[in-house]
Amino acid sequence: DTEVTQTPKHLVMGMTNKKSLKCEQHMGHRAMYWYKQKAKKPPELMFVYSYEKLSINESVPSRFSPECPNSSLLNLHLHALQPEDSALYLCASSQMGSGSSGELFFGEGSRLTVL
Amino acid sequence: GESVGLHLPTLSVQEGDNSIINCAYSNSASDYFIWYKQESGKGPQFIIDIRSNMDKRQGQRVTVLLNKTVKHLSLQIAATQPGDSAVYFCAERDDYKLSFGAGTTVTVRA
Repeated sequence: DTEVTQTPKHLVMGMTNKKSLKCEQHMGHRAMYWYKQKAKKPPELMFVYSYEKLSINESVPSRFSPECPNSSLLNLHLHALQPEDSALYLCASSQMGSGSSGELFFGEGSRLTVL
Repeated sequence: GESVGLHLPTLSVQEGDNSIINCAYSNSASDYFIWYKQESGKGPQFIIDIRSNMDKRQGQRVTVLLNKTVKHLSLQIAATQPGDSAVYFCAERDDYKLSFGAGTTVTVRA
């Protein structure tokens, strides 16, 4: 099993809603990532978790709240979003350790539309 | 901040020809450079990587070249096929932070 599974694939929410994006991997990877991708742009790093602890937060607004309940799961909680937050949200995972390129395995993304 | 960028936003190539996609980087501390392919509606897919202490690495139909003197990275695709049509991103890794360049959209003409 070499997949990263993201749900939901599509999400439409209002600015006052609270929703969550979910990500799951069963490759035994101990690093997990959230990226945001706008149309025709490269993915932008939001958060990195290593061994279930938040290790990188790229100055992401607090209306995005990540959570890593265990080594296989990664959530992104959304609250009071703005229309400009509409984007494709990508989850990825990778092995950890020296000597590895840390190849990231990406899910297919959750396409979020904020009305 | 430091970033990775691609020279050309689009590339049109005849089926069967070789493709060369270029990228310039600026972070000398990066330990790995990686090429990803992203097809429409999908997440990025790993193609090939190269460690910073190497100049060249070959895979199946792909070759990555790294020129540290001029901070340049390239991806060569041999005998380009219709299935190679996608957006290609170079990326650099510094510790656990993977940063992507702007991307090149490759279109293969039949």
